[in-house]
Amino acid sequence: LAKTTQPISMDSYEGQEVNITCSHNNIATNDYITWYQQFPSQGPRFIIQGYKTKVKNEVASLFIPADRKSSTLSLPRVSLSDTAVYYCLVGEYSGAGSYQLTFGKGTKLSVIP
Amino acid sequence: EAGVVQSPRYKIIEKKQPVAFWCNPISGHNTLYWYLQNLGQGPELLIRYENEEAVDDSQLPKDRFSAERLKGVDSTLKIQPAELGDSAVYLCASSEGLSFTDTQYFGPGTRLTVL
Repeated sequence: LAKTTQPISMDSYEGQEVNITCSHNNIATNDYITWYQQFPSQGPRFIIQGYKTKVKNEVASLFIPADRKSSTLSLPRVSLSDTAVYYCLVGEYSGAGSYQLTFGKGTKLSVIP
Repeated sequence: EAGVVQSPRYKIIEKKQPVAFWCNPISGHNTLYWYLQNLGQGPELLIRYENEEAVDDSQLPKDRFSAERLKGVDSTLKIQPAELGDSAVYLCASSEGLSFTDTQYFGPGTRLTVL
């Protein structure tokens, strides 16, 4: 089962770009990389998902190098409302309909005014 | 569109008592998940349903935990008897399809405190 490693916490000032890197050294060929955001007293919320190279949506970008052993979530121009915990997940499909998404401990991002 | 609904939001019980959590997924979503989240940790999968079938319950402590998803819609997670270590947030999530790449939509969770 692929495990992920992220920094426990990060601080950033408002308006800055924030990059959160996740290591997943034993990612398998079939695995996708997904990021979720969680605010206090709420369930996690999907941000972005990718398999390789670069993915971008209206809220974030995801960079995945060729070896796929790491990935970087990029949040442009963060605001106070981006203060949350960010989880990197690697989805493992083992065939016959069996798969699992494993959440790590996440990265607590604090945005400072 | 209504999101995933969970009730109750908070529950306080004495140890050895039973407790049940209810989840109503997003309409039309085929896959339903129950997670447990301890303070400062990420969610841990307890059980996953594809329609009515529990397809992954390997992490569910079956001696005291049980779950059901009748008619492939609502689901109930039960603990009997509860122990002090069961204090946590219990999250329900649903996704539209049956693929692991499908986005999971989470409810707000039920915070359980066992005294």
